[in-house]
Amino acid sequence: DAKTTQPNSMESNEEEPVHLPCNHSTISGTDYIHWYRQLPSQGPEYVIHGLTSNVNNRMASLAIAEDRKSSTLILHRATLRDAAVYYCILRVLTGANSKLTFGKGITLSVRP
Amino acid sequence: DTGVSQNPRHKITKRGQNVTFRCDPISEHNRLYWYRQTLGQGPEFLTYFQNEAQLEKSRLLSDRFSAERPKGSFSTLEIQRTEQGDSAMYLCASSELITDTQYFGPGTRLTVL
Repeated sequence: DAKTTQPNSMESNEEEPVHLPCNHSTISGTDYIHWYRQLPSQGPEYVIHGLTSNVNNRMASLAIAEDRKSSTLILHRATLRDAAVYYCILRVLTGANSKLTFGKGITLSVRP
Repeated sequence: DTGVSQNPRHKITKRGQNVTFRCDPISEHNRLYWYRQTLGQGPEFLTYFQNEAQLEKSRLLSDRFSAERPKGSFSTLEIQRTEQGDSAMYLCASSELITDTQYFGPGTRLTVL
């Protein structure tokens, strides 16, 4: 599986936007970029995924660089409930090799 | 739909005992995954099923571990002769074939004394 690199941690203030970066310089043409997050004492939760174009959903936005070697998860207004570990993961969307390969993720802290 | 459920939520056992965990996926989800997570690390893939067929197993899954999904619905993960190194959170996830977005349960925390 192609590898992703994320900072260990990031802090933000409540109600401000948060930009979580992810580098994936060895991404292949068939890899989708997925983001999951894990709140304390819970299982991971799907956030968003994309291939080439920027994506928006009710939780977040995903901005993908033109060369696809990096991406940024954007939380438009951070809340205290957004404090979690965020994982950036590359995978083929479907097919035999559909497991998720998690790294250590980035720990987001939100200050009130 | 109540999401993925796992039982028990916590299990404490003595070294050498056998333990079994159960996962009930979201109904109609064809795929079911097991992951293991230790403190400070991301989840690690163990195995997955498509319906009742076990399609992939990680090298992490030693001979002491066995998973089943007999009717393509719920799944069980059994660990025989537990060791202290088996202490971890065991996570289950399910997905439908088309999108394959994985939905995780709350996990079973195993402590081996």
